[in-house]
Amino acid sequence: DTEVTQTPKHLVMGMTNKKSLKCEQHMGHRAMYWYKQKAKKPPELMFVYSYEKLSINESVPSRFSPECPNSSLLNLHLHALQPEDSALYLCASSQESGQNYGYTFGSGTRLTVV
Amino acid sequence: AQKVTQAQTEISVVEKEDVTLDCVYETRDTTYYLFWYKQPPSGELVFLIRRNSFDEQNEISGRYSWNFQKSTSSFNFTITASQVVDSAVYFCALSEWMNNGRAGNQFYFGTGTSLTVIP
Repeated sequence: DTEVTQTPKHLVMGMTNKKSLKCEQHMGHRAMYWYKQKAKKPPELMFVYSYEKLSINESVPSRFSPECPNSSLLNLHLHALQPEDSALYLCASSQESGQNYGYTFGSGTRLTVV
Repeated sequence: AQKVTQAQTEISVVEKEDVTLDCVYETRDTTYYLFWYKQPPSGELVFLIRRNSFDEQNEISGRYSWNFQKSTSSFNFTITASQVVDSAVYFCALSEWMNNGRAGNQFYFGTGTSLTVIP
């Protein structure tokens, strides 16, 4: 299994809603990442988890709350988002956060905030 | 300053033409890695190649080839005999170990080149 699975694929939420994005991998990777990608832009790093601990938070607003329940799962909890948060949210994993094996990306969740 | 520069924003070619996507990077590390990813309209980022800074051999994989030139800090990607399925956004990326004193894998994407192959 060489995939990173993200659910849901599409999500529309209101500014007062609470929702969660899920990411799962079964490759034994110990580093997992959340990226945000706006249209026609490269992905931007949000969070890095290494061995289930948050190692990097790129000054992301607190309305985005990551969680890593175990080595295979990564969640992104969303609350009180703004319309400008609408984007493609990509999850990725790699063997280690300190190594350079490249990332395996999921297909993303396309989020629309209304 | 941009760590990874992809000067070509959009390229259109006719099917079966060859096309080269340019990538220029900037780093002070002696050990670093370069990558190319493909992002089709479906959104998934597909890993194409990883190259470390000590390996300047060019690589060919089917219709894809990569030219790594440390002297010019470039890592260009050529698609031979392009096909409609090659239409996508292609990202070049750099991974280096240290940046501004913060250890850890720092990963930088270029701004991407949107390739359209016209049938």
